[in-house]
Amino acid sequence: GAVVSQHPSRVICKSGTSVKIECRSLDFQATTMFWYRQFPKQSLMLMATSNEGSKATYEQGVEKDKFLINHASLTLSTLTVTSAHPEDSSFYICSALEPGGDTEAFFGQGTRLTVV
Amino acid sequence: AQSVSQHNHHVILSEAASLELGCNYSYGGTVNLFWYVQYPGQHLQLLLKYFSGDPLVKGIKGFEAEFIKSKFSFNLRKPSVQWSDTAEYFCAVSHSGNTGKLIFGQGTTLQVKP
Repeated sequence: GAVVSQHPSRVICKSGTSVKIECRSLDFQATTMFWYRQFPKQSLMLMATSNEGSKATYEQGVEKDKFLINHASLTLSTLTVTSAHPEDSSFYICSALEPGGDTEAFFGQGTRLTVV
Repeated sequence: AQSVSQHNHHVILSEAASLELGCNYSYGGTVNLFWYVQYPGQHLQLLLKYFSGDPLVKGIKGFEAEFIKSKFSFNLRKPSVQWSDTAEYFCAVSHSGNTGKLIFGQGTTLQVKP
């Protein structure tokens, strides 16, 4: 299957700083990527849909100014958590959709963010 | 609102036991259904998917699932589990035509004892 790489896998940052997480599709071009957040012992919650060359579409309740998404190329989407606070600590996972009709999404390995 | 519900949060089985994990969804319109598995420290991996056709879907590693439209269910089954099946299992739903936008269930932790 296709490979999606997420970087970094773990990051610890100080409260008030910003953190950038990268999501790359390694062997296919992805016009659409997705960002999810997973709280401990809970499910993955979709945060936003990242569209190459256009603005991201955010789910209800997700602060677009807090979670900046950029999809500048067909193989890279970035999620920047701005002015991070301890409540932003979570596991962030991206997925990339293969082009074509009804295809499956491939997931990155996730990024564990800890804000101290 | 769209939702996916997995019946079991934590399941413990002995090797060779049969497995059935329940999944029900609440979603209007035509849906695509998925089961993902996450082994410790690894990516989410697709076990199987249903888009259309035969409602009994066979996936990797001996897993299968049956889509019962009248019950809004997509239960995962395996006749004989192995220790290596120990993992987290997620049921997910998407609207047909938007397969990347997934609504996940809360997950089921499966622990298989050798």
